[in-house]
Amino acid sequence: DTAVSQTPKYLVTQMGNDKSIKCEQNLGHDTMYWYKQDSKKFLKIMFSYNNKELIINETVPNRFSPKSPDKAHLNLHINSLELGDSAVYFCASSQGLPGQGNSPLHFGNGTRLTVT
Amino acid sequence: GENVEQHPSTLSVQEGDSAVIKCTYSDSASNYFPWYKQELGKRPQLIIDIRSNVGEKKDQRIAVTLNKTAKHFSLHITETQPEDSAVYFCADSGGSNYKLTFGKGTLLTVNP
Repeated sequence: DTAVSQTPKYLVTQMGNDKSIKCEQNLGHDTMYWYKQDSKKFLKIMFSYNNKELIINETVPNRFSPKSPDKAHLNLHINSLELGDSAVYFCASSQGLPGQGNSPLHFGNGTRLTVT
Repeated sequence: GENVEQHPSTLSVQEGDSAVIKCTYSDSASNYFPWYKQELGKRPQLIIDIRSNVGEKKDQRIAVTLNKTAKHFSLHITETQPEDSAVYFCADSGGSNYKLTFGKGTLLTVNP
C-alpha cells in the first residue's frame, strides 16, 4: 500500500509533446512537492503546495504547470517538452512545512521522463 | 536554505570502517537538517534528522552532529555494511521553513 504513488513510472516521448504526471498521497499530509532529479542526481525543488495553495514556485519554465485538485493530489503538466526536461521527477509529501522538524518528506518512487 | 555544500561527492570505504559526510549551510536561521538515503533506482528516504537546538543525535550505527557556530553538520556511519552503499543527501530547511534544499549528494560505496 504505497503512501505516495505517482504515475506513470516511465514516460518516453518526443520533443514538442505535452505530457502529465500524476501524484497521490494517502498519508493525510497537508503539503505536497515536485522535485526534479537530473542525471547528476541533483535534487531540486520545483513546486510546493500547502492545503492546495501554491507556496513555492522555483524558477521553473512556464511550460511546467502544477495542479492540486485537493490535498491528496498534485499533478504536473508539461507543455512543449524539450530534451533538457529528461530527468526523474519525484513527488513528495509532508504533514506540515519542512522547517517544522516533525514533517519529514515522503517521496514517491519517481517518474523517469525521457524526451527524444 | 539556498546554499548547501556537501562533501565528499564520492566516498569508498571497506566494510566495517566508518564513513563521514559533511555539509555546510549559509542561512543562520536554518533550524532543521535531515539526511536522506537513496539506493540505486529507488526513492530518497529519511534516515535521520536533527533540529538546531540539539548538537548530536544517534540511531544505532548512524549519528548526526551539528555545529551551529560553524554552520555545518555531519553524518557518521559506523561499522559500515555493503547495504549502506547508496547516495546520501543532506538538506536544510532555511529560515523560511517552506522548503528543503538538498546538497548534491555523496555516493558511498562499501566494499566487502
